[in-house]
Formats: sequence, structure tokens, C-alpha cells
Amino acid sequence: GDSVTQMEGPVTLSEEAFLTINCTYTATGYPSLFWYVQYPGEGLQLLLKATKADDKGSNKGFEATYRKETTSFHLEKGSVQVSDSAVYFCALSPNTGRRALTFGSGTRLQVQP
Amino acid sequence: DVKVTQSSRYLVKRTGEKVFLECVQDMDHENMFWYRQDPGLGLRLIYFSYDVKMKEKGDIPEGYSVSREKKERFSLILESASTNQTSMYLCASSSAETQYFGPGTRLLVL
Repeated sequence: GDSVTQMEGPVTLSEEAFLTINCTYTATGYPSLFWYVQYPGEGLQLLLKATKADDKGSNKGFEATYRKETTSFHLEKGSVQVSDSAVYFCALSPNTGRRALTFGSGTRLQVQP
Repeated sequence: DVKVTQSSRYLVKRTGEKVFLECVQDMDHENMFWYRQDPGLGLRLIYFSYDVKMKEKGDIPEGYSVSREKKERFSLILESASTNQTSMYLCASSSAETQYFGPGTRLLVL
């Protein structure tokens, strides 16, 4: 079945550091890929998405590129802020059949001033 | 903006109680989902529904049931709550591949 693997946290960075959170997936066909963010005490918010190979999703300075050859969708940001501290989830959705998301286990990011 | 609301942010129940978690969305989405979130496990799908009165089991349906009598409302039912159902419960809705989540209900079963 489908699966998503993301790097374990917590990831601790200083403000303005470069961020990478790795995500790889296993799926049949051509899934859509997502990054969701969960701030403390809140539900999940869509951060960005890509629906086909080589697409780049971007939002709020975050980027991720759908790499079919490496089955990856790594999240990057050039300069993190304290307000980026949250848990980040990588997820996939098959484009046919059941449309439920398959999530990675989440990566907690802590940004220190 | 899509809005998904859940009836409670926090609930405390006793073992054996029947528990209802309610979810309402205001965007006329066909699909609705219930997940539970546990540390280190990410989100796991309990049940989903793609139409009124239609439901399908997700990956961990045991101990749960659902009801969807109206398009905007999707209820999760714990028939007899157990301590291993202590968790964060998240509802989501979608019309295509992007899902929109509610704020979650943190349930503690004593």
C-alpha cells in the first residue's frame, strides 16, 4: 500500500537558518503530494501541494518539488523564523479511487531566536 | 474560506461511555474524513464518507462507527469508549484532492 516516510524530529534551528525536511513516498500511479503544518493547539493547515512530477509547490517562503525519479517531496525554506515552529506533515493522495490522505509521522521544528 | 468545525476542543469521558464527535463543513464538500493523531504515528484514517449515507472503513475502524445523514455533517461514534481511544481526533472535508481540517478534538478516556 501507499506510505510516506519523513525525517524524525525534533529539528532545532536558529532563526534565519536554512531548513530541509526530507520526505519520500511509495505509491502506485501518480499521487498528489502535500505538506501540512500544525501549530501548537491547532488543526492541520495546508502549506503547499504539487499534483504532478516536477511541479514545485510554494507558500510563505516554503518550497517543495515533486521528484518522481527519487519519489521525494522535500520541504525547504531559506530562512526560518521563530513563528515557523510547528509540526510538519508530508502526505500523499492517490488520484484515483480512495481520496484519503496517507501521512508521514510528522516532524517537529523548533526555531530558536 | 473553507470552514470545518468540530463540536468540542476537549472531552473527558469514562471507560464504557458512548461518545459522539461532531464535524460540520460549510463548503458543500462531498468527501469527509475522520482521522486520529497519535505521537510518532502521524494521522491514521478511521472512516471516510463520499456522499450522504455512504461510508467506508479506513485503516483503523475497530471500535468506531460513523454517521452521515446530511452532507455538511459527519459524526464519529465510539460505542463503548476505552482508554486506548485517548487521542486527538481530526475531521477533514474535500471536494478534490485537497483536504481541509478542523481544529481537532482532544479526547481523554479515563
